[in-house]
Amino acid sequence: DQQVKQNSPSLSVQEGRISILNCDYTNSMFDYFLWYKKYPAEGPTFLISISSIKDKNEDGRFTVFLNKSAKHLSLHIVPSQPGDSAVYFCAASAYSGNTPLVFGKGTRLSVIA
Amino acid sequence: KAGVTQTPRYLIKTRGQQVTLSCSPISGHRSVSWYQQTPGQGLQFLFEYFSETQRNKGNFPGRFSGRQFSNSRSEMNVSTLELGDSALYLCASSKNRQGSYNEQFFGPGTRLTVL
Repeated sequence: DQQVKQNSPSLSVQEGRISILNCDYTNSMFDYFLWYKKYPAEGPTFLISISSIKDKNEDGRFTVFLNKSAKHLSLHIVPSQPGDSAVYFCAASAYSGNTPLVFGKGTRLSVIA
Repeated sequence: KAGVTQTPRYLIKTRGQQVTLSCSPISGHRSVSWYQQTPGQGLQFLFEYFSETQRNKGNFPGRFSGRQFSNSRSEMNVSTLELGDSALYLCASSKNRQGSYNEQFFGPGTRLTVL
């Protein structure tokens, strides 16, 4: 049973527009959420995170929104750039990041110039 | 500061063989976690080592094992390889405290192909 789901395997967005990547989770114990970006032949790199005590966290062009009641989070990238083309993984952890990360299967974002 | 390094980067084995993968964490990091990435399952947690002790283990068969040395370097071993073990194996390290999964830095991975 998948505890973290990224239902869109791929997403195409035009350069300069907003990219919205979605993630749903089922485990109520998750209280810390992270987004990672992965380029081919490289390991995932940390992008942004959010604790369940917040509903929004911003870092430059990247904003993560958390809706606890819906068990849903989303990553917004504004404006999207060609260099943002990568696979994005959503991950969750319990006890403030003290349990192993549970990852979604990833969403491949393509930003078209 | 050097990042997490993994060797080898690519490996081809045949069914029934065994394989050992190596991971050197970021200097000063004492926790090392291993993940398996496959197209169908995404990233799945294998196990975590902290101060040479396995602290957490994912839902993988006993053919998957690991260890950590006193210098925090870690190895994972897969015995009796199966075709389904073909995957990218990722190692991640984190700082000097147990369970700091929200502070992990990943290596580039070892691509294992089982024929």
